[in-house]
Amino acid sequence: LAKTTQPISMDSYEGQEVNITCSHNNIATNDYITWYQQFPSQGPRFIIQGYKTKVTNEVASLFIPADRKSSTLSLPRVSLSDTAVYYCLVDDNNNDMRFGAGTRLTVKP
Amino acid sequence: KAGVTQTPRYLIKTRGQQVTLSCSPISGHRSVSWYQQTPGQGLQFLFEYFSETQRNKGNFPGRFSGRQFSNSRSEMNVSTLELGDSALYLCASAGGAGGYTFGSGTRLTVV
Repeated sequence: LAKTTQPISMDSYEGQEVNITCSHNNIATNDYITWYQQFPSQGPRFIIQGYKTKVTNEVASLFIPADRKSSTLSLPRVSLSDTAVYYCLVDDNNNDMRFGAGTRLTVKP
Repeated sequence: KAGVTQTPRYLIKTRGQQVTLSCSPISGHRSVSWYQQTPGQGLQFLFEYFSETQRNKGNFPGRFSGRQFSNSRSEMNVSTLELGDSALYLCASAGGAGGYTFGSGTRLTVV
């Protein structure tokens, strides 16, 4: 299973764009990259998933370079409600997800 | 459609007792995974079931067990509870590619 490395914490201000980068040097050919968001005392919530290049949905964008050894979650114009822990996972959709420590994002007014 | 339902929401047990937690996945999802979350250890993978068979298992002692029924509902059991088992237990279901859907969890407190 590919291991991921993310910053432990990040601070931002309302209205800014936030980019959280995840390193996964040992990603395998069959692995997808998935990001989750978690609020206190709730289960993680799926944000976005990608395999390569760029993926965009209504809440975020995911940028994956050609070598796939890293990925960047981009949150446009964050608000206070985006304060949460963000997890990056790589897995082959074989349903054996191992979470890392995640990145604690704090959005300030 | 209904999400992942976990019951009970909160539970208080005494050391040495055993506990059973329940998870009803999203209709049509056949994969159910369980996680333990504590402040010190983060999200720890317990096990994953698919079509009533355990496919993957994390590094937890044998006191932690689970099962899945033919309707994909799953239960996990913890025997001989220890204080360190106090945690938020999360269940997630999946129906293919596109990520997991998590329930709100069961908050277990062992006293």
